[in-house]
Amino acid sequence: SQQGEEDPQALSIQEGENATMNCSYKTSINNLQWYRQNSGRGLVHLILIRSNEREKHSGRLRVTLDTSKKSSSLLITASRAADTASYFCAFSSDSNYQLIWGAGTKLIIKP
Amino acid sequence: ETGVTQTPRHLVMGMTNKKSLKCEQHLGHNAMYWYKQSAKKPLELMFVYNFKEQTENNSVPSRFSPECPNSSHLFLHLHTLQPEDSALYLCASSQDTEYNYGYTFGSGTRLTVV
Repeated sequence: SQQGEEDPQALSIQEGENATMNCSYKTSINNLQWYRQNSGRGLVHLILIRSNEREKHSGRLRVTLDTSKKSSSLLITASRAADTASYFCAFSSDSNYQLIWGAGTKLIIKP
Repeated sequence: ETGVTQTPRHLVMGMTNKKSLKCEQHLGHNAMYWYKQSAKKPLELMFVYNFKEQTENNSVPSRFSPECPNSSHLFLHLHTLQPEDSALYLCASSQDTEYNYGYTFGSGTRLTVV
């Protein structure tokens, strides 16, 4: 299927530690995006990385993209309790403008 | 506030009821989307409108009926739903369907069908 796959499904770490989430896909992509969703609310766009880019930063967020391995990772440095949320990757392929979504990683930051 | 407003936030309805979900955006976006989010499943795209025209209907049952009177407003009319339709319904918008550089989502409507 075209669905993105994220791992881990759940991640629990201490405040201050770094959190890494991974996303893999099977098609050629145009871009890959990461979103955050706080419990029971809408998704918030975090960062977009284009297929010709390898790394992007936004504040405490760092996203990498390896098109040869068809994978991306999201690193949150110096985690805070407010980072507790579910994180989703989504990508659009060259042939289809629709975003294809992963099932998400649930991140819990323990104080 | 994200700029995309969904109402109501919560809705409980019986299987024989008719209700509507509303989505409104004033971001100047031309594409609007309805998604269904169920527990432990990826987001399911339901409908896409681009410049008020429906461009996608992902095999959604006819008990869900979308309406897009203008580029700023999107409705989802609900009729004779089933308990398995209980989910979080999310509306999103983007510049247009080919401008895939980030969606703006509303906070969602939590629907419970009893």
